[in-house]
Amino acid sequence: DAKTTQPNSMESNEEEPVHLPCNHSTISGTDYIHWYRQLPSQGPEYVIHGLTSNVNNRMASLAIAEDRKSSTLILHRATLRDAAVYYCILRRLGAKLTFGTGTQLKVEL
Amino acid sequence: EAQVTQNPRYLITVTGKKLTVTCSQNMNHEYMSWYRQDPGLGLRQIYYSMNVEVTDKGDVPEGYKVSRKEKRNFPLILESPSPNQTSLYFCASSPRASEYNEQFFGPGTRLTVL
Repeated sequence: DAKTTQPNSMESNEEEPVHLPCNHSTISGTDYIHWYRQLPSQGPEYVIHGLTSNVNNRMASLAIAEDRKSSTLILHRATLRDAAVYYCILRRLGAKLTFGTGTQLKVEL
Repeated sequence: EAQVTQNPRYLITVTGKKLTVTCSQNMNHEYMSWYRQDPGLGLRQIYYSMNVEVTDKGDVPEGYKVSRKEKRNFPLILESPSPNQTSLYFCASSPRASEYNEQFFGPGTRLTVL
């Protein structure tokens, strides 16, 4: 599976936008970019995914670089409930999710 | 409510005593999977099932068994648990085994093997 690189941790203030980066320089043309998050003491939770175009949903936006070698998860207004570990994952044919160590997001008042 | 349920949520057992962790989903999903999560190692896939009666090994299958007799259930069996299987276990399901489907995770089972 292609590898992703994320910062270990990031901090944000409540109600401010958060941009979580992910590098995936070895991505192949058929890899989907998925983001999951894991809140404390819970199972991972799907956030968003995309292939080439930017994507928006009720939780977040996903901005994908034109060469697809990087992407950014955007939380438009962080809340305390968004404090979690965010995982950027590349998925090829088949359903396997390969989790890295993710980015620990801390949100402060 | 659409969900993945796991039982038990917490379990303390002793080495060698067979145990089963149940997983059930009510979304008519074809694909189901088990993961374990350990500090510093992240989540790793143990076994997965593409559909009823079809299962295959993930990255860390040693010491585990699974079965998929019905679409909704995917139990994880530890025939002879050992302390290195102490971990947090998650079951997940997905409509199909595809690269664009979201996976739904259960709440987790924290297992301690003494």
